[in-house]
Amino acid sequence: KNEVEQSPQNLTAQEGEFITINCSYSVGISALHWLQQHPGGGIVSLFMLSSGKKKHGRLIATINIQEKHSSLHITASHPRDSAVYICAVRRHSGGGADGLTFGKGTHLIIQP
Amino acid sequence: NAGVTQTPKFQVLKTGQSMTLQCAQDMNHEYMSWYRQDPGMGLRLIHYSVGAGITDQGEVPNGYNVSRSTTEDFPLRLLSAAPSQTSVYFCASSYSLQGSSYNSPLHFGNGTRLTVT
Repeated sequence: KNEVEQSPQNLTAQEGEFITINCSYSVGISALHWLQQHPGGGIVSLFMLSSGKKKHGRLIATINIQEKHSSLHITASHPRDSAVYICAVRRHSGGGADGLTFGKGTHLIIQP
Repeated sequence: NAGVTQTPKFQVLKTGQSMTLQCAQDMNHEYMSWYRQDPGMGLRLIHYSVGAGITDQGEVPNGYNVSRSTTEDFPLRLLSAAPSQTSVYFCASSYSLQGSSYNSPLHFGNGTRLTVT
């Protein structure tokens, strides 16, 4: 079983819809990162969370440490939000040598 | 600030050829790393460095070498390319992995798409 599971793997929605991407993990963590990767492009850090909720523009990220679960929400989605969204956890110990374990990503397409 | 700069963006190699992927950052970050991204898999750590002169292996280091002679640069060398090394490579940096900086934000380059035939 992967230590970081994202759902859904693929999501297609219409412009304007409210989007939720989920990330569940099975290890103790010190922080969780949400990353965005546009087609053919680099990876951009959206949020880093260790508790509670963060908001940036139309993006909202929440984390529930007890349930080992995080969600990324996009309000009023737009075609430019089409990207792969990656969840990564920073473990207390283990994982990669830098303590990071990455999910496989959620491929989001927003149709106009 | 340019952030993290990776070159080249695309590269095609024949089996057995060698090459160096360049990575530079201008944020004075201590920590730099190389990942590879393959379809259906999460990013996997190849090598990392916690400061100039210090490097160590990650999860998938075989076939790759690194060096860190300056804070700014962290090149990745493919010694003898193999088709299994066909992948997208990302360089990343963050301020530090020490103490309160352990959870510093990650900064990624734009990636290098490598094909080995």
